[in-house]
Amino acid sequence: SQQGEEDPQALSIQEGENATMNCSYKTSINNLQWYRQNSGRGLVHLILIRSNEREKHSGRLRVTLDTSKKSSSLLITASRAADTASYFCATVGDYGGSQGNLIFGKGTKLSVKP
Amino acid sequence: KAGVTQTPRYLIKTRGQQVTLSCSPISGHRSVSWYQQTPGQGLQFLFEYFSETQRNKGNFPGRFSGRQFSNSRSEMNVSTLELGDSALYLCASSLAVGVAYEQYFGPGTRLTVT
Repeated sequence: SQQGEEDPQALSIQEGENATMNCSYKTSINNLQWYRQNSGRGLVHLILIRSNEREKHSGRLRVTLDTSKKSSSLLITASRAADTASYFCATVGDYGGSQGNLIFGKGTKLSVKP
Repeated sequence: KAGVTQTPRYLIKTRGQQVTLSCSPISGHRSVSWYQQTPGQGLQFLFEYFSETQRNKGNFPGRFSGRQFSNSRSEMNVSTLELGDSALYLCASSLAVGVAYEQYFGPGTRLTVT
């Protein structure tokens, strides 16, 4: 079952522009994570935000979390061609208590044109 | 430290055959999880292992099985392959079980069933 649903499904921007992706989820969470995947390869962990946090920064990444709306957003500032990838949000699955059973959204495919 | 390794990287099998995929976690990591990624269903949790014990299993038929060895390496097996089993199979490892432990993903095994 899909917990997170990303929006938009695809996003195309120019280098230097900002990219914003949104994620909605269904149940209460302990934390929410964002991952990046380059062209059908492994997932790279980007950032984790806990349920008691509202905003978190890591380099050019900014994540917000609104637990009342069950939604999160990922902002990539000053995007580069190398940011071209699919981005997924993930929450801990129904079994709880472990990061080892994550539920992922369908992802946003970001294309950054040079 | 070497990352998570998965072998083989690519595999082509025929319907009805069986397949075994291997995952070597990061040294010192004791938890291994498996995920299936398809264009239609996205990323779905398969299993989670810790100290040779299966902790959780996703909603997959009994044709999908796995195990973990004493050195934390893990294998997953799919018997009686179907066309729909064509997917990218991702393995992730973490130090231990718990919401605080980040997952590190391998590059995946691309399985094609013809």
